[in-house]
Amino acid sequence: SAVISQKPSRDICQRGTSLTIQCQVDSQVTMMFWYRQQPGQSLTLIATANQGSEATYESGFVIDKFPISRPNLTFSTLTVSNMSPEDSSIYLCSVERTRGPDTQYFGPGTRLTVL
Amino acid sequence: DAKTTQPPSMDCAEGRAANLPCNHSTISGNEYVYWYRQIHSQGPQYIIHGLKNNETNEMASLIITEDRKSSTLILPHATLRDTAVYYCIAPGGSARQLTFGSGTQLTVLP
Repeated sequence: SAVISQKPSRDICQRGTSLTIQCQVDSQVTMMFWYRQQPGQSLTLIATANQGSEATYESGFVIDKFPISRPNLTFSTLTVSNMSPEDSSIYLCSVERTRGPDTQYFGPGTRLTVL
Repeated sequence: DAKTTQPPSMDCAEGRAANLPCNHSTISGNEYVYWYRQIHSQGPQYIIHGLKNNETNEMASLIITEDRKSSTLILPHATLRDTAVYYCIAPGGSARQLTFGSGTQLTVLP
């Protein structure tokens, strides 16, 4: 399995500000993903972070609100822009490994609270 | 993705086998079934996956019916640390995006 770390592990932010979340993997991976888990809810895929090209966003998520970078095969960032209390969630990154075509390994998550 | 249906919650006594069912009646022939779990406040953890045959690994066993319309995840000797939300997912042959439903909250009781 992959060792995945996320920074910060948690943060409390003010409305209107932005937060950048980092995801670091201990080995090169092809596919990296970003998910959101709102309080008491299941996970929702935000986007696929593509190395060397723009991220692919799911319906309901846009680049202006959630810009993503993927500068290399071990690192990605997700920015939550112009935050509102509705953005309070756990944000998780995941990577795909070769164990199976859709087997993903998840980071520990970043717990964001927006006041 | 094939739609999956799971009971919202289950209890299991510590040391006993936990059998978690999943219905995926619309699954297509080349779609795998994956199981993940999420222990409170942690990221989801991959458990096991299968296509047609039953599978077993160090964490669990996966029993898939012959018609592939349902499956059962078996934790042979549940411990308190197995208390978690268990997700059954059929993401599709070419899709890499995992769609997480509501899952089953398994509570292992002492």
